[in-house]
Amino acid sequence: DAMVIQNPRYQVTQFGKPVTLSCSQTLNHNVMYWYQQKSSQAPKLLFHYYDKDFNNEADTPDNFQSRRPNTSFCFLDIRSPGLGDAAMYLCATSRGPGSNTEAFFGQGTRLTVV
Amino acid sequence: GENVEQHPSTLSVQEGDSAVIKCTYSDSASNYFPWYKQELGKRPQLIIDIRSNVGEKKDQRIAVTLNKTAKHFSLHITETQPEDSAVYFCAASDYKLSFGAGTTVTVRA
Repeated sequence: DAMVIQNPRYQVTQFGKPVTLSCSQTLNHNVMYWYQQKSSQAPKLLFHYYDKDFNNEADTPDNFQSRRPNTSFCFLDIRSPGLGDAAMYLCATSRGPGSNTEAFFGQGTRLTVV
Repeated sequence: GENVEQHPSTLSVQEGDSAVIKCTYSDSASNYFPWYKQELGKRPQLIIDIRSNVGEKKDQRIAVTLNKTAKHFSLHITETQPEDSAVYFCAASDYKLSFGAGTTVTVRA
């Protein structure tokens, strides 16, 4: 059974047109993360929520925002996608600080900007 | 923030030989060190992990070692098979995962 679900799997958007990617989890984990992975590169953390607390990485562009309306759902909003934002976007969850911090990844959303 | 360095960036081995990938980290607060295998177009898949209170862990053909004093950890794959060909990432975490740059492993038949 899927535990971290991302929708859609593939998203095509026009240059400059806002787009939202979604992630849901059935694990009741405290922490939800958004990673960006470009071709042949490592996943790069954009931001994460620890419960309702939003934590932005210092180098995450202002064009990216996130919402977590409840424990189960988290959204990634890209306000004005550019060609350089084409990537795989990975959502992950974990229990948070403590002895067990394994992260569970969703299948990813591959974003294409045309 | 955490900085994870991973070497080598590419590794080609003959089937049946061993493969070793090494990583270093900078933040002494990191206490969890997973290794991921990623195939083209798929999500990273956890293959083994180690916590800071353990020095070594083995799972069949895969083993990981951790030297907390030196802040480095390594992945060892023995008796490599063609299906081991993939990109491998190390990571360090104090609950936020920071990834190494990745190692592309090719197993030659």
